[in-house]
Amino acid sequence: AAGVIQSPRHLIKEKRETATLKCYPIPRHDTVYWYQQGPGQDPQFLISFYEKMQSDKGSIPDRFSAQQFSDYHSELNMSSLELGDSALYFCASSSPRNTEAFFGQGTRLTVV
Amino acid sequence: AQTVTQSQPEMSVQEAETVTLSCTYDTSENNYYLFWYKQPPSRQMILVIRQEAYKQQNATENRFSVNFQKAAKSFSLKISDSQLGDTAMYFCALRGSNYKLTFGKGTLLTVNP
Repeated sequence: AAGVIQSPRHLIKEKRETATLKCYPIPRHDTVYWYQQGPGQDPQFLISFYEKMQSDKGSIPDRFSAQQFSDYHSELNMSSLELGDSALYFCASSSPRNTEAFFGQGTRLTVV
Repeated sequence: AQTVTQSQPEMSVQEAETVTLSCTYDTSENNYYLFWYKQPPSRQMILVIRQEAYKQQNATENRFSVNFQKAAKSFSLKISDSQLGDTAMYFCALRGSNYKLTFGKGTLLTVNP
């Protein structure tokens, strides 16, 4: 079965650079969630989209923005990167029929 | 606001034995879902088991079962016949009407041979 695809899997950026993370949800899933997991931490909710509209917002810095496109894929744009942005970024998707969200394998972002 | 508390940062168990991971939560909603996710060293988030709050019957998935005590807002995970591959970080999570997940801090489970 198709799963949530995230790209890239690994990304190394320098401070003050910009990064774009992509998420391709499971086909027919209309909701996408983004989570940030720092080293040794639990995942923290950043933002979610339902039918291409932002549905909820968590602890997402103003330097970050995200959107969901017409094909339901989503992109997380991160600007003016800081060392503290180094983390594992998960995307998850779900549909109204699902009780759970299905997670991608994550993008490991390292800011140096 | 929703909160999830896992009071056991680390646990260990011998292979083939049984272990129980604790989780308590707080929410003002009546309709919600509870989950246990497993995160092995690969860092993949893998769903272990789910429980709908409106169901009184405890969920079971093979060697994994939960003890859901709604009044006490408790949701523990029991792993029977522990296997080496069960070694991972286990996160308890709560999903409310807004669909986002709130995670606990996690319990690192080590299964010893």
